[in-house]
Amino acid sequence: TQLLEQSPQFLSIQEGENLTVYCNSSSVFSSLQWYRQEPGEGPVLLVTVVTGGEVKKLKRLTFQFGDARKDSSLHITAAQPGDTGLYLCAGAAVYQLIWGAGTKLIIKP
Amino acid sequence: GAGVSQSPRYKVAKRGQDVALRCDPISGHVSLFWYQQALGQGPEFLTYFQNEAQLDKSGLPSDRFFAERPEGSVSTLKIQRTQQEDSAVYLCASSLAGGWGTAINSGANVLTFGAGSRLTVL
Repeated sequence: TQLLEQSPQFLSIQEGENLTVYCNSSSVFSSLQWYRQEPGEGPVLLVTVVTGGEVKKLKRLTFQFGDARKDSSLHITAAQPGDTGLYLCAGAAVYQLIWGAGTKLIIKP
Repeated sequence: GAGVSQSPRYKVAKRGQDVALRCDPISGHVSLFWYQQALGQGPEFLTYFQNEAQLDKSGLPSDRFFAERPEGSVSTLKIQRTQQEDSAVYLCASSLAGGWGTAINSGANVLTFGAGSRLTVL
């Protein structure tokens, strides 16, 4: 069974701080996606990483796919209250996405 | 419509009742997925349609759960004889392409989610 473990499960920090969220698996994925979900809404895709070692940047968010394509990280620089939400990683497996349990991030002004 | 629409947004059912949850995907989207999301957890896969064909229903938790997409557009998730453990948010998502193996970087595999249907079984 493929599993994705996210850490930390919960993170509350002050505005302006940096943070990193991790997504780890013992399985290899052909691609991995990061989503952000706000209360009462469905997840919204942030990025897809495909190549081992790939780094993608989205403004203050930096996503990295591990060399072995088993893990990924999301780094946020100078976090802002608008970054608050549930961050989910998901690995592609044929027709399915295998989802992590998410990291609930709260940025306090 | 511009996005994926789900109805009802909220449903309260008494244990033992049947419920039906509807999903209107983005027009022209080939793939349609149903997920179950418990509070504070990631989505759990339920079933997948490519057009009207249900290609994977391995995530349906029991034979009380049934999904259909008869004309390859609107889909309905039906739960019979609801139990308290069925309480969750049910998310529907659609994508332009079929499966994950093709054109992964083309954007055709981007999943667009609806806002979900929150089911509470008393």
